[in-house]
Amino acid sequence: SSELTQDPAVSVALGQTVRISCRGDSFRSFWPTWYQQKPGQAPLLVMYAGDHRPPGIPDRFSGSTSGDTASLTITGARAEDEADYYCASRDNSGNQKVFGGGTKVTVL
Amino acid sequence: QVQLVQSGAEVKKPGASVKVSCKAAGYTFANYDINWVRQTAGQGLEWMGWMSRESGSAGYAQRFQGRLTLTWDTSISTAYMELTSLESADTAMYYCARGYATGSHTFDSWGQGTLVTVSS
Repeated sequence: SSELTQDPAVSVALGQTVRISCRGDSFRSFWPTWYQQKPGQAPLLVMYAGDHRPPGIPDRFSGSTSGDTASLTITGARAEDEADYYCASRDNSGNQKVFGGGTKVTVL
Repeated sequence: QVQLVQSGAEVKKPGASVKVSCKAAGYTFANYDINWVRQTAGQGLEWMGWMSRESGSAGYAQRFQGRLTLTWDTSISTAYMELTSLESADTAMYYCARGYATGSHTFDSWGQGTLVTVSS
């Protein structure tokens, strides 16, 4: 299957830890990528190759993969982390890219 | 720094076509793929297709086959996305994005987006 499934929404108290999950068979073949999108802005790459942070992304963001499930964890969530988060991968052919449906993270 | 600057908002009638440009700066354009992603209001991201720096040709998401044409002009570091037979469901924000590595689904730089509105 080329589908990636995310929970629609999750909330986290300020300073606490939240894990955002994404399930898909493609993670058995391809590393996940994660994007953050704030209202009115273009998506921003926050994690690639499973657990690699691009320059400028705080180390409170971490990534992991286990079987068919990829996870993005925010440890010590801050107000500015409130955003939509999308996972991405490829389909079984490797030629088509696919996004998860997105998870809205609310920081309380 | 790497920049992708897209053309301005468009308003089109149903059945028309739209062509969006994406001008790159700050890197060697021909060394990276360009992908196109769209997002309808309040909805998620949808990958549309890509220009491969390796082959110089385009690949398309199945649902856009026959209606989408991606091209680029490396001499002016600009990629283009043309979508034909527009309908109201094509009203969306369209983004270009640079591929981190050949064929990768990691997009490390994005354009600011171009809003395309399809309305009679």
